[in-house]
Amino acid sequence: DQQVKQNSPSLSVQEGRISILNCDYTNSMFDYFLWYKKYPAEGPTFLISISSIKDKNEDGRFTVFLNKSAKHLSLHIVPSQPGDSAVYFCAASDGGSNYKLTFGKGTLLTVNP
Amino acid sequence: GAGVSQSPRYKVAKRGQDVALRCDPISGHVSLFWYQQALGQGPEFLTYFQNEAQLDKSGLPSDRFFAERPEGSVSTLKIQRTQQEDSAVYLCASSLDGVSYEQYFGPGTRLTVT
Repeated sequence: DQQVKQNSPSLSVQEGRISILNCDYTNSMFDYFLWYKKYPAEGPTFLISISSIKDKNEDGRFTVFLNKSAKHLSLHIVPSQPGDSAVYFCAASDGGSNYKLTFGKGTLLTVNP
Repeated sequence: GAGVSQSPRYKVAKRGQDVALRCDPISGHVSLFWYQQALGQGPEFLTYFQNEAQLDKSGLPSDRFFAERPEGSVSTLKIQRTQQEDSAVYLCASSLDGVSYEQYFGPGTRLTVT
């Protein structure tokens, strides 16, 4: 039973346009959400996060939106750059006793020059 | 280096061999996590340490998997009698304290069992 779902295995966009990556979750106990970016042969790199008490968080070109009622979050990248091409993982945590992360399967983003 | 390091980066083991994977977390980080990432999947939680105490090992898939962090810094994940289904990338992550959500990952060890 997947608690965090990224239903698009891949996404291709043109340089300069907006990239929108989506993530759905089923566990209502999740209270914190994170996006990680991963290049081949490297570990995931933390990108941006959002607490369940907020509905939006921005950091430069990256914005994460959270819709708690729909159990849905999205990552917007504007403008997209070729260097953004990577696998993006959505992750969630319920805090609890150890803050372990539950990950989706990832979305491969390709930004074409 | 200031990041999380892992060794070896690649390991090939014959079925039935024991392997040991090492993780050096960011200096001063209290929490340490191990994850397993199968091909085409996201990382899955294996176990969690706060300092030297292993507080959660609920994700370890069998009793062939064992992890330790005896001095609260370096950690070792040991897999006994490896099986083909153990082939995966093993990721280590650390976080600053016991109440931080953001985890910082190492490059992983790719284990191939033949």
